[in-house]
Amino acid sequence: GEDVEQSLFLSVREGDSSVINCTYTDSSSTYLYWYKQEPGAGLQLLTYIFSNMDMKQDQRLTVLLNKKDKHLSLRIADTQTGDSAIYFCAESIQNNDMRFGAGTRLTVKP
Amino acid sequence: KAGVTQTPRYLIKTRGQQVTLSCSPISGHRSVSWYQQTPGQGLQFLFEYFSETQRNKGNFPGRFSGRQFSNSRSEMNVSTLELGDSALYLCASSSTRGTNYGYTFGSGTRLTVV
Repeated sequence: GEDVEQSLFLSVREGDSSVINCTYTDSSSTYLYWYKQEPGAGLQLLTYIFSNMDMKQDQRLTVLLNKKDKHLSLRIADTQTGDSAIYFCAESIQNNDMRFGAGTRLTVKP
Repeated sequence: KAGVTQTPRYLIKTRGQQVTLSCSPISGHRSVSWYQQTPGQGLQFLFEYFSETQRNKGNFPGRFSGRQFSNSRSEMNVSTLELGDSALYLCASSSTRGTNYGYTFGSGTRLTVV
């Protein structure tokens, strides 16, 4: 299909790991991204992964990419209450555009 | 360095009016893209400007227009406002065309049409 798909909600306990999953659409996408949006704010680029990589780690964040299944995931280790936000998966598409998922609302309970 | 600045932050307009939103990209960034964010439709691409030229356009009616100035600042205009235009309008900038390293987004302008 044409949509980048994400689960809408995820709830975890503080200190646990969070895993947010995404299925993208374009097998030719060069870059895949994770953005974070806090209430009342714009989107903050968290990390991105080039399509020839399987994994990228950046401090508490780990991105896994399965090109065969067009599946992208974001793992947040030791999740904190400050991680509560909406997380968007996005893919680069033709014409220098990006296609975003609907966002996953992560709630971290103390 | 300063981030992407969007003004105003909030705006309330009446149906039928027109509105202009402003975006100042990060210094040195020449590409500016605009997105509309609504609860129902999510993030939808409006248009992209680079070097004062519109390079790409999303699937929005002609009531939505934009421009970019020589200093890379961009404005978008919506004429004959409809209730459905109520949304968060996000501007994003990047140093070059292309999404290689992602965009830097502003905090958005929340437009309410009554």
